[in-house]
Amino acid sequence: SYVLTQPPSVSVAPGKTATIPCGGTGIGGKSVHWYQQQTGQAPLLVMSYDSDRPSGIPDRFSGSNSGNTANLTITRVEVGDEADYYCQVWDIISERWVFGGGTKLTVL
Amino acid sequence: DVQLLESGGGLVQPGGSLRLSCEASGFNFNIYAMIWVRQAPGKGLEWVSGISGSGDYTYYTDVVKGRFTISRDNSKKTVYLQMVSLRGDDTAVYYCVKSDGMRFDSWGRGTLVTVSS
Repeated sequence: SYVLTQPPSVSVAPGKTATIPCGGTGIGGKSVHWYQQQTGQAPLLVMSYDSDRPSGIPDRFSGSNSGNTANLTITRVEVGDEADYYCQVWDIISERWVFGGGTKLTVL
Repeated sequence: DVQLLESGGGLVQPGGSLRLSCEASGFNFNIYAMIWVRQAPGKGLEWVSGISGSGDYTYYTDVVKGRFTISRDNSKKTVYLQMVSLRGDDTAVYYCVKSDGMRFDSWGRGTLVTVSS
């Protein structure tokens, strides 16, 4: 079955740029979606179809996808961005939705 | 606004059964796939099951196949997850999610299922 790999944690200072990678074989050929989950809350879609920002998501959030890695990039990071971030794809071969293991973003 | 309201969670003994419900509002329910995603305590997100807008197609992750059944009643704008033969590793918050088939664009607040004796 298809596997998405994320680093368990990423740390960044306020005001700097954070990049959260999501690895998968040939992921560039799939559509990647990203979710933010703050402590005790339900997940929130923050990026869809690789680089499409849903309404209400700040333009500090951007996405890219190529080759074997997709990235969620957050510029001018704020303390409020501290959360767990998950990537997700639909694997048409196995007919399954797949999540990455999640990355905890810590704002130092 | 899209609203998804889960119910039916609770404490159940190993081997027991539960039926989760998710009542939807604020969108054209019968054209969207509906998904159940769970999150065990302290763990990541795990896709559990999905059903097409018409209800004709259903999908399950391997660990629940044969034990969980997803269904929907479009006249009631409600999706269900019938869970039998529950095990300790089914303990999780279960989220009801609206999907276009690819992305999960709206999430409920979740309902907690605890499997324990």
